[in-house]
Amino acid sequence: DTGVSQNPRHKITKRGQNVTFRCDPISEHNRLYWYRQTLGQGPEFLTYFQNEAQLEKSRLLSDRFSAERPKGSFSTLEIQRTEQGDSAMYLCASSSGTSGINEQFFGPGTRLTVL
Amino acid sequence: DQQVKQNSPSLSVQEGRISILNCDYTNSMFDYFLWYKKYPAEGPTFLISISSIKDKNEDGRFTVFLNKSAKHLSLHIVPSQPGDSAVYFCAASGAGGYQKVTFGTGTKLQVIP
Repeated sequence: DTGVSQNPRHKITKRGQNVTFRCDPISEHNRLYWYRQTLGQGPEFLTYFQNEAQLEKSRLLSDRFSAERPKGSFSTLEIQRTEQGDSAMYLCASSSGTSGINEQFFGPGTRLTVL
Repeated sequence: DQQVKQNSPSLSVQEGRISILNCDYTNSMFDYFLWYKKYPAEGPTFLISISSIKDKNEDGRFTVFLNKSAKHLSLHIVPSQPGDSAVYFCAASGAGGYQKVTFGTGTKLQVIP
């Protein structure tokens, strides 16, 4: 399977704990995106990497959130001191950036539940 | 501020008929428009897109129409099939091909056999 993969698929944690999610993009894609989706809403942009450089961050990404893509391949999204409002589906997407249309390929997501 | 709006949360259509999903946007800087389909427990899947320099793009049973003056686009599915039942997201992106995608809230399509 050469699609975008995300791990874990589900995470249940207690409020105040730290969690980390991983995204493995399609291998030849140099662009990687993180989105968050809550019930009844579309995905909301969080941050974007081109290779290892983080080029844009949404104001939704508070100081408790940090994302890295150290070698321009996989990426991690860490949430510190989780809050119940962080409960959502976290989606990762990648794109090649070679076409003029920003066709992003999404992974299956990580569903976070904060108790 | 919802820059991409899908005002119909759900739509039911008979198999074989046309499905029309609508979308409005407010940001004049959007340059590309995309439709994604999402099944439960899966990430969104790219369906079809259109550049702002065009008013129509067709791919098999799927056609997207863009009316820039009205800031409106629509997705037509003809003929509709039960496998098309999913949530459809309208999305928009700025110029450059690398920018973030802004999604609407989605329309749940049910195609009735």
